[in-house]
Amino acid sequence: DQQVKQNSPSLSVQEGRISILNCDYTNSMFDYFLWYKKYPAEGPTFLISISSIKDKNEDGRFTVFLNKSAKHLSLHIVPSQPGDSAVYFCAARVAGGSEKLVFGKGTKLTVNP
Amino acid sequence: KAGVTQTPRYLIKTRGQQVTLSCSPISGHRSVSWYQQTPGQGLQFLFEYFSETQRNKGNFPGRFSGRQFSNSRSEMNVSTLELGDSALYLCASSLVPGYPYEQYFGPGTRLTVT
Repeated sequence: DQQVKQNSPSLSVQEGRISILNCDYTNSMFDYFLWYKKYPAEGPTFLISISSIKDKNEDGRFTVFLNKSAKHLSLHIVPSQPGDSAVYFCAARVAGGSEKLVFGKGTKLTVNP
Repeated sequence: KAGVTQTPRYLIKTRGQQVTLSCSPISGHRSVSWYQQTPGQGLQFLFEYFSETQRNKGNFPGRFSGRQFSNSRSEMNVSTLELGDSALYLCASSLVPGYPYEQYFGPGTRLTVT
């Protein structure tokens, strides 16, 4: 039972354009959602998060949107840069103060110069 | 400030053997979590430790175990290795539990079981 789903295994965009990565979830008990970025041979790096009580969080070129009624979140990267090419993981935390994160399977983003 | 360190980085074992992986958290971090990453299942939560106590455990068989020492370093052990245990094992540390956006991941240990 996959509670966090990233339905697009890959995404390719042109440099300077917007990248939109999507994530769907099924568990209503998630209280925090996070995006991680992962380069080959490295561990995931935290990118941005959003609490379930908010619908938008912005940090520079990165914005995360949360639609609780649709159980959907998305990560927008504007403008996209070649250095953004990596695998992006959506993750969610179950309410209760645990460190346990439930991850999606990732979307490989390629930004073409 | 040094990051999360995992040793060894690469390991090849034979089916039926056991293996111990080590994780040294960032200095001052007291919470350590372990994840398994495979192509088919993605990242899956294994355990979470804080102050030498296991706080949470994922849905893995009893062959997977772990512990945390008084200096916050953590080890995980897999006994009676199976081919399906081949994966990247990631360790993450944070100051205290409950702040997931402050989890820092190590580079992982790539385990290959033949």
